[in-house]
Amino acid sequence: EAGVAQSPRYKIIEKRQSVAFWCNPISGHATLYWYQQILGQGPKLLIQFQNNGVVDDSQLPKDRFSAERLKGVDSTLKIQPAKLEDSAVYLCASKPRWDRGGDEQFFGPGTRLTVL
Amino acid sequence: AQSVTQLGSHVSVSEGALVLLRCNYSSSVPPYLFWYVQYPNQGLQLLLKYTTGATLVKGINGFEAEFKKSETSFHLTKPSAHMSDAAEYFCARLGAGGTSYGKLTFGQGTILTVHP
Repeated sequence: EAGVAQSPRYKIIEKRQSVAFWCNPISGHATLYWYQQILGQGPKLLIQFQNNGVVDDSQLPKDRFSAERLKGVDSTLKIQPAKLEDSAVYLCASKPRWDRGGDEQFFGPGTRLTVL
Repeated sequence: AQSVTQLGSHVSVSEGALVLLRCNYSSSVPPYLFWYVQYPNQGLQLLLKYTTGATLVKGINGFEAEFKKSETSFHLTKPSAHMSDAAEYFCARLGAGGTSYGKLTFGQGTILTVHP
């Protein structure tokens, strides 16, 4: 079974530029998460999707961050415009349905963003 | 607010020594608890989890953790450290109610160093 795929793995941009990250979850996983992990901290949830609908985006800075999962499979997270404090690793995770062991989240390798 | 606290941002042990990584949680109801490991430039990998039932949970790579409700703790241990255990470890809890329902909240992480 293939794991959660993310691209790119690394991205360096200048402040005020735009950037987009892509995630392809494990096949069949209905729930998809985006986390932000700042150096020295644990991951912080940005947004949670159930199929193609948003379940929770309360921690997403909506003035600059957006995310979509149009067909309920892969997802894109965008930052526009980026700020220095957005430098972090962006992790994508997916989870199966509750009745299929759905209490465990499976994480991708992350995208490391550096904003200069 | 429901939270997870990991005591000690850095732990250093000798190869072959006991590993003890501490985690305390705050919760009004018994939570689901997890330990994840993160190797450099990789995503998070589940080590073990506590949901219900036996309070001593065994995971991969020889790790285990004991859920102690009276102490609100879920410390991670391994009898004998190996060089390959060097990584960052995260304790996390799954929200059981209210606005945190179904969300993973992570501790700040503990970097484990193993020296020869």
